[in-house]
This record gives sequence, structure tokens and C-alpha cells, in this order.
Amino acid sequence: AQSVAQPEDQVNVAEGNPLTVKCTYSVSGNPYLFWYVQYPNRGLQFLLKYITGDNLVKGSYGFEAEFNKSQTSFHLKKPSALVSDSALYFCAVRDGGTGGFKTIFGAGTRLFVKA
Amino acid sequence: DTAVSQTPKYLVTQMGNDKSIKCEQNLGHDTMYWYKQDSKKFLKIMFSYNNKELIINETVPNRFSPKSPDKAHLNLHINSLELGDSAVYFCASSREGGSGYTFGSGTRLTVV
Repeated sequence: AQSVAQPEDQVNVAEGNPLTVKCTYSVSGNPYLFWYVQYPNRGLQFLLKYITGDNLVKGSYGFEAEFNKSQTSFHLKKPSALVSDSALYFCAVRDGGTGGFKTIFGAGTRLFVKA
Repeated sequence: DTAVSQTPKYLVTQMGNDKSIKCEQNLGHDTMYWYKQDSKKFLKIMFSYNNKELIINETVPNRFSPKSPDKAHLNLHINSLELGDSAVYFCASSREGGSGYTFGSGTRLTVV
């Protein structure tokens, strides 16, 4: 069974500073990894994914994530945070090895970017 | 607009009632999902259909019944609503393989 952990409930960062939102995962097969963002009273929006290939994945709005197989991590990063990045971020994992469709979401990390 | 659309956006109803939430996607995706987001923002998968076939059926009370008349639609019917059913219900769709999901904007269900 797959699982995903987001160890921080909240991340605070000043505008212009780099940000990192952490995610670790567990799957029995090959991990398909995703990041989504949720703004207040909205649905989740897809940011980026890792399926295979380059460990550094670039996505929407200047976000990127690094897949680290040995640490089973997929941290979300951005070099320079914007106030408008403040939102709820979800990491998600699917077990690509089993060919299943079930995607499990982490508990979410709330990002606050202060001006 | 290409999207996943859910109706209604808000639903307030009394305990014991039966209600339905509708979802439609015009993205040509093969797979559709229902997720429940509770008050702590935790997302839990409920059901998934692939080409009208039920492929994921999580531990959900049998008062909840999904129906997929075609691969562009996935509806959720809830019988005998309880206070604990209050949540935001999200519909989503995806292509097969490793694609991400496209989510609807959610239906906020409040049971009083």
C-alpha cells in the first residue's frame, strides 16, 4: 500500500526568499509523484509530476521538485517566493508498479509568504 | 471551456434526506474520481470509474452510491444524510497512465 507524508503543517517564508515544502512517500512499486496547490474555496490544481527520467522536475508558476529515491522524498521548491504563492500544497503518490489508479494525498502543508 | 464541472456548488440539507452531486468532464479523460475533503482539509478517495467501470471502491458507507452513465459523467448519490457527511466533495478526472488529475471546484455539503 502506498502512503505519503508531509511533515510540516505550515511553512512560513518571506517574499523573495527560497521555499521548500517537504514530502516523503512509500510505495511497493515505482512511484508516480505529484504536487497540487489549493487556493481558498477552490479545487486542487496540478503543479507538476515525476514519473521517470530527470530527478529535477519543473512545473507551473516557477515551482520545481526533486525526486530522491534513496531518501524517498519529493520536496517542492521555488527559488523566490511570492505572496501569491500562499496556499495549501498537497503531495500525492500513485503506485506505478501495480498499474493502479489510486492516488493517495498527503495531509497538506499550508504555505504563508509574508511581504 | 474545457474543465471538470460539478453541480451544485453548495448544498445545505437536513439529516435523513437523499441528495445527488453531478460531475461532468469535457477533457476526453477515461477515468473519473470522487474525493472527500474534511474540515481539516484531508483528502480521501471514495470511488473511481474507468470507462464507466468501477475500479476503486474505498471503505465508504453504502449510503454513498456512484453512477457513471458514460465516461464523461460521474454522479454521486447519498442516501439518509448524516451530520458527518458534511464536507467538500471533489470530482476529478485523468487520462490513463501517469497523468495528473484535473479537479472540479468542489461541492460544499452541509448537513443540518
